[in-house]
Amino acid sequence: NAGVTQTPKFQVLKTGQSMTLQCAQDMNHEYMSWYRQDPGMGLRLIHYSVGAGITDQGEVPNGYNVSRSTTEDFPLRLLSAAPSQTSVYFCASSRDRANQPQHFGDGTRLSIL
Amino acid sequence: EDQVTQSPEALRLQEGESSSLNCSYTVSGLRGLFWYRQDPGKGPEFLFTLYSAGEEKEKERLKATLTKKESFLHITAPKPEDSATYLCAVRSIGGGTSYGKLTFGQGTILTVHP
Repeated sequence: NAGVTQTPKFQVLKTGQSMTLQCAQDMNHEYMSWYRQDPGMGLRLIHYSVGAGITDQGEVPNGYNVSRSTTEDFPLRLLSAAPSQTSVYFCASSRDRANQPQHFGDGTRLSIL
Repeated sequence: EDQVTQSPEALRLQEGESSSLNCSYTVSGLRGLFWYRQDPGKGPEFLFTLYSAGEEKEKERLKATLTKKESFLHITAPKPEDSATYLCAVRSIGGGTSYGKLTFGQGTILTVHP
């Protein structure tokens, strides 16, 4: 099993460009989420999904969109990139959102110039 | 609002020198406390879940304990390969949009010298 796979691993964008960060899991997990990790800030929740067709906002959702058309995939879209979105982005999944631990991908390192 | 504070920010140990990392938390009701290990350039790797005060979990040289206000990650006779950032996170019983959300601390950077 691959677990949680994120692509690309690195990306450089110019301000105003859009892009999609891909996330796929092969564990048939219902709960998936996106975090960003910034120095001194810890991991912060951007968006999450409790199942196919259901998404909701986390604590820092502005500038990002998500969709969940299948159980396996949970892409994160940057609508118009801004330098403040320079960060490392992690996707995570878990069997449920109550008691089970979340398993993380290895991240996408994104720089906005 | 859930809060998690980890200390120290960084810890340097000699190989074999045991120590503890601290995770203090404030939640409306604890559903679970999670410890993760993160290596440079990698995502967090799950270590332990603790659900109630008094609970303990062990894995090799690591032992996690939980009280009503804090958790400790004890490292016994550490080796250089234990060097990593250790993250603590809590999940509260809060409802609505916060349900299921993990709140993370900023982590403790552990360096073990040979």
